[in-house]
Amino acid sequence: GAGVSQSPSNKVTEKGKDVELRCDPISGHTALYWYRQSLGQGLEFLIYFQGNSAPDKSGLPSDRFSAERTGGSVSTLTIQRTQQEDSAVYLCASSLVRGGSDTQYFGPGTRLTVL
Amino acid sequence: AQRVTQPEKLLSVFKGAPVELKCNYSYSGSPELFWYVQYSRQRLQLLLRHISRESIKGFTADLNKGETSFHLKKPFAQEEDSAMYYCALVNFGNEKLTFGTGTRLTIIP
Repeated sequence: GAGVSQSPSNKVTEKGKDVELRCDPISGHTALYWYRQSLGQGLEFLIYFQGNSAPDKSGLPSDRFSAERTGGSVSTLTIQRTQQEDSAVYLCASSLVRGGSDTQYFGPGTRLTVL
Repeated sequence: AQRVTQPEKLLSVFKGAPVELKCNYSYSGSPELFWYVQYSRQRLQLLLRHISRESIKGFTADLNKGETSFHLKKPFAQEEDSAMYYCALVNFGNEKLTFGTGTRLTIIP
């Protein structure tokens, strides 16, 4: 079956522009996670969805970042007024049931470059 | 606050030699720890979790609560073990998975 997919795979944008990153989780997975992978920084947790709700948004780096999930499936991560420090690989993962302890299946990532 | 530390950014080991990737953590509760791996041009994937007490691809990891460590070990390295390895810890309160900064393992033929 299909794994987690993300689009676009690469995005180059100018500073100040808004970007939308999309994640399609594995069908039937109720939990969805967003991470950011910066050079030398490891993986930074951004947000977690259980169904369509996000119990904890404290991982989002600033109020320029927002995320939503509709229909318990697709999620979009939106970055407004992008800055150069937003350049990173954004990873999405999903798991069958609630909980960070459940195996997370990762997508291929979206590489964002802000010029 | 929970924290995962992987002190080695890079580790090179000869084929056939033992491998140990270090991971230390800080967490106020009872921890659940994982190792995730990313092979070249592949997705990040789960390697093993401490509660399973299993060996995957010859790798094992033992949780040592006294030393707050969860080191990943393999007695005889193989070339296909070359990859980026991340240690991770879950916070059951908010389901947040905290990753270390990763160790790039290179197996020298």
